[in-house]
Amino acid sequence: SAVISQKPSRDICQRGTSLTIQCQVDSQVTMMFWYRQQPGQSLTLIATANQGSEATYESGFVIDKFPISRPNLTFSTLTVSNMSPEDSSIYLCSLSGGQNTEAFFGQGTRLTVV
Amino acid sequence: SQKIEQNSEALNIQEGKTATLTCNYTNYSPAYLQWYRQDPGRGPVFLLLIRENEKEKRKERLKVTFDTTLKQSLFHITASQPADSATYLCALDTGGFKTIFGAGTRLFVKA
Repeated sequence: SAVISQKPSRDICQRGTSLTIQCQVDSQVTMMFWYRQQPGQSLTLIATANQGSEATYESGFVIDKFPISRPNLTFSTLTVSNMSPEDSSIYLCSLSGGQNTEAFFGQGTRLTVV
Repeated sequence: SQKIEQNSEALNIQEGKTATLTCNYTNYSPAYLQWYRQDPGRGPVFLLLIRENEKEKRKERLKVTFDTTLKQSLFHITASQPADSATYLCALDTGGFKTIFGAGTRLFVKA
């Protein structure tokens, strides 16, 4: 198993500002994933972050809005840029143990944009 | 695109009874399916994984079935306890390392 430390756990931000969420893993992993979970909704994959290359974004998500960094195999950040109230959500980082194995999640960041 | 459906209505049961949650999926044939538990303010925690060639999997009081013909998985908690109250998410692989999740079913177990 893996331990993922995600911070901040929650934040209230003004619209138009940006928030950077950090995830630290206790072991080296090739792929990390960033999800968004809106109230009552399923987890939606934002992007896949590989070390040493640009993140791969899912349909509906763009780098300018959600820039991701992956400077090494144990750390990643997701920035929510130019926030609006519609960005209020829980953001989760995740990693996979490999194909046909479970995913591990950080505790999530609850973001409220006012 | 792949779609996962879980009952959006909360499930309320009495302590000691068996809780049964349903997960249906369309437009895909996953190699495996997973169930997670999510408590408020926390990230999902893995419970069970079942592969396409497995009909049933058990872990303590948990049982998962996987019917690839019906495109359905059932998740059972036997002898339920108030501590089992949480949201349970179904997830399936899309090939490679990506996983997609259902919206989850909220379970309330009353003492």
